[in-house]
Amino acid sequence: SAVISQKPSRDICQRGTSLTIQCQVDSQVTMMFWYRQQPGQSLTLIATANQGSEATYESGFVIDKFPISRPNLTFSTLTVSNMSPEDSSIYLCSVAGTGETQYFGPGTRLLVL
Amino acid sequence: KQEVTQIPAALSVPEGENLVLNCSFTDSAIYNLQWFRQDPGKGLTSLLLIQSSQREQTSGRLNASLDKSSGRSTLYIAASQPGDSATYLCAVKGSGNTGKLIFGQGTTLQVKP
Repeated sequence: SAVISQKPSRDICQRGTSLTIQCQVDSQVTMMFWYRQQPGQSLTLIATANQGSEATYESGFVIDKFPISRPNLTFSTLTVSNMSPEDSSIYLCSVAGTGETQYFGPGTRLLVL
Repeated sequence: KQEVTQIPAALSVPEGENLVLNCSFTDSAIYNLQWFRQDPGKGLTSLLLIQSSQREQTSGRLNASLDKSSGRSTLYIAASQPGDSATYLCAVKGSGNTGKLIFGQGTTLQVKP
């Protein structure tokens, strides 16, 4: 299994500011995934982050709004830029472990005022 | 476009009852299907993973089945306990194995003592 940690666990931010979320995995992985869970909704994939290349964004998500870094095989960051109240969500980092099981971090709970 | 639906959205049962959660998907060309549990304010915990070539997987009181041809999966929980109260999410990974999971909306289960 993979153990994933995220920082911060929660934050309250002002409109127009940016927040960077960190994701650390206890083993080297090729792909890391960032998901968003809006209040009362299920999870939606934001982007896939590969080490050494640009992240691949899903329809409806753009790099200017959600820039991603992937400096090595165990770490990634997601920035939520120029935030608005609609960005209030849980942001989760995920990796695929051995046997294809998908593992998720504990999530970052973001509230934008 | 793959769509995943979970029925019912919410379920309340007395302790000790056996229950079935349903998941359906529109595109049968899947790589695998995974069931997760999410406790309030927490991340996701993987329960069972079924590869596309498999029919079912079991773990303790949990049994998940997969019928690709009909686009359905069920999660059977035997002898339910109050500690089983949580939201259960079904997610499918497409046949291209890009790593992207498509999630259902979840079933929120309450097991009453």
